[in-house]
This record gives sequence, C-alpha cells and structure tokens, in this order.
Amino acid sequence: QITLKESGPTLVKPTQTLTLTCTFSGFSLSADGLGVAWIRQTPGKALEWLAVIFWDDDRRYSNSLKGRLFVTKDTSNSRVVLALTDVDTVDAGTYFCARRSSTGEIDYWGQGTPVTVSS
Amino acid sequence: DVQMAQSPSSLSASVGDRISITCRASQDIRSFLAWFQQKPGRAPKSLIYGASNFQSGVPSRFSGSGSRTEFTLTINSLQPEDFGTYYCQQYDSFPWTFGQGTRVEIK
Repeated sequence: QITLKESGPTLVKPTQTLTLTCTFSGFSLSADGLGVAWIRQTPGKALEWLAVIFWDDDRRYSNSLKGRLFVTKDTSNSRVVLALTDVDTVDAGTYFCARRSSTGEIDYWGQGTPVTVSS
Repeated sequence: DVQMAQSPSSLSASVGDRISITCRASQDIRSFLAWFQQKPGRAPKSLIYGASNFQSGVPSRFSGSGSRTEFTLTINSLQPEDFGTYYCQQYDSFPWTFGQGTRVEIK
C-alpha cells in the first residue's frame, strides 16, 4: 500500500523559511523512474505545481518560485524535504506531496498540510 | 509554460446524466494529460493518466479522450458521489501545469 504524508509547521512568519517533510511508504525513491512532487493550493484557488525530485536526484522547480525552492531526498528514510525561503502571506495554503510514477503521471497524493503565514 | 484551459468552470447536472469537461493546452502535449477529482477539504484523487488510461479503482463511468491540445473527461451516468472539482494537468514538459478546475454540482 502506497501512502504519503506531509508534516511541518502550520504557522510561519513572513521572511522565514518554510520546511516541509513528506514521509512515504510502499515504494522506494531509488526505483527507476519514480519521483516525489510538491503541489500547493492557495485558498479558493487551483493547484500549483512547485517541485519534483527524481530517483536519480534530478530536480525541477516552478519557474515562478525558482530561487526560493529547494527539494532534497533521504532515500534510506523514505523522506523528501521541501524548503521555501522568504515566505510571504501569498504562500499560505495547503501543501501536498505526491508520487510521480515511472510512466510520468502523479498517481498517489498525501493528505496535505495547511500553512499560514502571519506575523 | 503550457497553459491549460478548462471549460466549463462549473456545471450542475442530475444523477444519471452524462457530462463532459474539456481541457485545452496552449501547445502540443501529446498524451501527457492527467485528470484529478478533488472534494472539499480533501486531497485530489488521480483518475486518468495518459489522456485515457484509468488509475486503479476508478469506476468505468469515467473516461478520458483526446491528444495533442484538446482533451475531454466524460462521466457517464453521473452519481451523487461524483460531486467535487475536477482538474486536468499536463506532464509533458516542465513546469507541470494544472487547469483552473471545473466544479461539478449534483442537482
């Protein structure tokens, strides 16, 4: 059974760095073709892809947030960490991690974690 | 970036109806198109990948079609549990992009 779960702070202050962890089970991020992606959803808005890290440590980032986003993996502990620097109120929302399958699509999602940005 | 435009933005239909949602890409994305269903307060659920392939456990009343720039999600015989917002997403090129969503309401 494949599961993913996000964890991290629910409240961060403006200009701080938001660090979120995705802990997953049921697959290994060392398997060819797999990846873990981050997607967020701001209040009342649609979904926004942020980043993905692949089995071979290749990483891709959203153009609009490039320079503020960093994603790393800890394969042995089945975790992926997302860092978003210099947060602002517009970064508030629900952050999801999801598995990218070997055929390219997102197939499994975490439950999401809410983040508020406020001083 | 590839822009994804969904239509309609919302619809209301009765149980048993057949509904279709269209997703148009701003450039050729071959068949690298996925559909997701999201209910309020929940994570999205994967329905379709590769434009027309079912994810495991998806009811057969759902179907996807299309290629290149125009895609359709069809729900035959709409059921009460099919309410929610549906999103398309392209994964042909980075950055991955989503449509703005289609809200489906059951009359």
